[in-house]
Amino acid sequence: DGGITQSPKYLFRKEGQNVTLSCEQNLNHDAMYWYRQDPGQGLRLIYYSQIVNDFQKGDIAEGYSVSREKKESFPLTVTSAQKNPTAFYLCASSMVTDTQYFGPGTRLTVL
Amino acid sequence: DQQVKQNSPSLSVQEGRISILNCDYTNSMFDYFLWYKKYPAEGPTFLISISSIKDKNEDGRFTVFLNKSAKHLSLHIVPSQPGDSAVYFCAASLGRGSTLGRLYFGRGTQLTVWP
Repeated sequence: DGGITQSPKYLFRKEGQNVTLSCEQNLNHDAMYWYRQDPGQGLRLIYYSQIVNDFQKGDIAEGYSVSREKKESFPLTVTSAQKNPTAFYLCASSMVTDTQYFGPGTRLTVL
Repeated sequence: DQQVKQNSPSLSVQEGRISILNCDYTNSMFDYFLWYKKYPAEGPTFLISISSIKDKNEDGRFTVFLNKSAKHLSLHIVPSQPGDSAVYFCAASLGRGSTLGRLYFGRGTQLTVWP
């Protein structure tokens, strides 16, 4: 089946630790995106990539890093510099400028 | 500053009646608009979209209306069903002709359809 997968579904992290969230797609989409959802805040863009080996900061990139070494994969690292990392993280993909399709999300909780 | 605004955080409608969800935007350069539906702890699913060259787009029970002069769009669901209960997000982009694929999202409206 074609789609977007995110793993794990739930993730717990101790303060001061970096953690990497996985996002994989087999839709042959060129563009991939990371969003963060907080209650009452909607979806805020962290990073996006329109082509392999290239990516741009979104509105809230501080404390996060990404890589795009393969077309299918766009992992997000939440670093210890992120002050409030507890949130629901969503990955999406699309053909550039077309409708975005979302993965199931990862709930990150910092203990 | 929010460029896409959904001013009603919640809406409650009886089953079988019409649900109208509203969305306003401030950037006149937006020319492609989308609605997504989201259940708790799941990713949003694409519902319907509209290009700025149109003022209406219909797909089954869902219709989106666009009023460019007012910078306003709305999603109509007729008839509403209990399974429609979810958070609905409005989103906008600079358009398919742009090299920028990013979307700007509103904060969402929680729709509750009761029997």
